[in-house]
Amino acid sequence: EDQVTQSPEALRLQEGESSSLNCSYTVSGLRGLFWYRQDPGKGPEFLFTLYSAGEEKEKERLKATLTKKESFLHITAPKPEDSATYLCAAYLRGYQKVTFGTGTKLQVIP
Amino acid sequence: NAGVTQTPKFQVLKTGQSMTLQCAQDMNHNSMYWYRQDPGMGLRLIYYSASEGTTDKGEVPNGYNVSRLNKREFSLRLESAAPSQTSVYFCASTSTGSTNEKLFFGSGTQLSVL
Repeated sequence: EDQVTQSPEALRLQEGESSSLNCSYTVSGLRGLFWYRQDPGKGPEFLFTLYSAGEEKEKERLKATLTKKESFLHITAPKPEDSATYLCAAYLRGYQKVTFGTGTKLQVIP
Repeated sequence: NAGVTQTPKFQVLKTGQSMTLQCAQDMNHNSMYWYRQDPGMGLRLIYYSASEGTTDKGEVPNGYNVSRLNKREFSLRLESAAPSQTSVYFCASTSTGSTNEKLFFGSGTQLSVL
């Protein structure tokens, strides 16, 4: 069974305190790995797509990396506006199924 | 660009009533998806359609049916609504083949079943 697991469930950081979110996956064949940000009451907002082990992508204070079993979202010197739920999803090869993890709720305190 | 359009935005049903959630995309995407989101549960896949004419069950298909009417439209039907189907529903679409694929989401439907 295809599974995507995110940890931790919740994370509280002081402004400027860097950290990483984890997304581990067990799937039949990975086409790509998505990262999204979601604010309360809103739909998911696209951040990154990663395709192969060793790939990295950056956007402002966020950097996403991918290995053969997991992906990390590194947040460098976060600000309060980075507070949100971060979702990862496995995009499966062959039949285009996309399975999400349960998310990490990040709170950045000023 | 409209992107992915979902209707309605809000709906209240009584137990046992039926309804159809509509979703349309104008990006010529092949694949379309229906998710539900409950507090603390992330996005759970209900059904998806990899291409026009095909549909497949996701993680939580019970109590739902779908129709891929054409390439643009993918509807979700609740035949006999239950309180357990109270949730926020998102439609999404994507197309394979580019170097930066992603899911495009609609704005969501908040459904309450009393």
